[in-house]
Amino acid sequence: NAGVTQTPKFQVLKTGQSMTLQCAQDMNHEYMSWYRQDPGMGLRLIHYSVGAGITDQGEVPNGYNVSRSTTEDFPLRLLSAAPSQTSVYFCASSLRWSSPGEQYFGPGTRLTVT
Amino acid sequence: AQSVTQPDIHITVSEGASLELRCNYSYGATPYLFWYVQSPGQGLQLLLKYFSGDTLVQGIKGFEAEFKRSQSSFNLRKPSVHWSDAAEYFCAVGEANTGGFKTIFGAGTRLFVKA
Repeated sequence: NAGVTQTPKFQVLKTGQSMTLQCAQDMNHEYMSWYRQDPGMGLRLIHYSVGAGITDQGEVPNGYNVSRSTTEDFPLRLLSAAPSQTSVYFCASSLRWSSPGEQYFGPGTRLTVT
Repeated sequence: AQSVTQPDIHITVSEGASLELRCNYSYGATPYLFWYVQSPGQGLQLLLKYFSGDTLVQGIKGFEAEFKRSQSSFNLRKPSVHWSDAAEYFCAVGEANTGGFKTIFGAGTRLFVKA
């Protein structure tokens, strides 16, 4: 049981490049989400999904796209990277979308945009 | 909209001393409250949670937190800190709505432990 996995662990992009951050969970969780973590700002929700085929925006969605074609996978796409997207990105999942519960976090992806 | 405030950006305590990390929230209804810990280079791990019932909740690693509705607070405590407790701690409040359950995090408090 791997929990929540994220790849890559580190990435450096040039301004304007695109890339996809991968996230997968093997716990059959309904709810998956992406956060970015910046110093002094805690974690801010980018996008979330309550099930396969259903996604919605969080606090800071601009510049990011998501899709959820399967229960297990929830990739985050940066369409045209900007230096303001330099951050640490965490994927998380929880069992049910409609009720409170523990979120399980992946190890994070540290992204630098130059 | 709900919000979470952690007034202390960082705190230093001596090993063996007691610890209290402060958290205040803003939320209209009874909140769902969480404390997470993040060790360097790691993701977040749940320490404890409060949904209802007893206002003093016990968590892992010897931590506890007390929900005080009158003060809108959910402070985290530990009677005796160990060097391995050095990490960043996040308080969070959860909101359930028609679109799903969302969690709002505070900015975090970094704990330093001195020998």
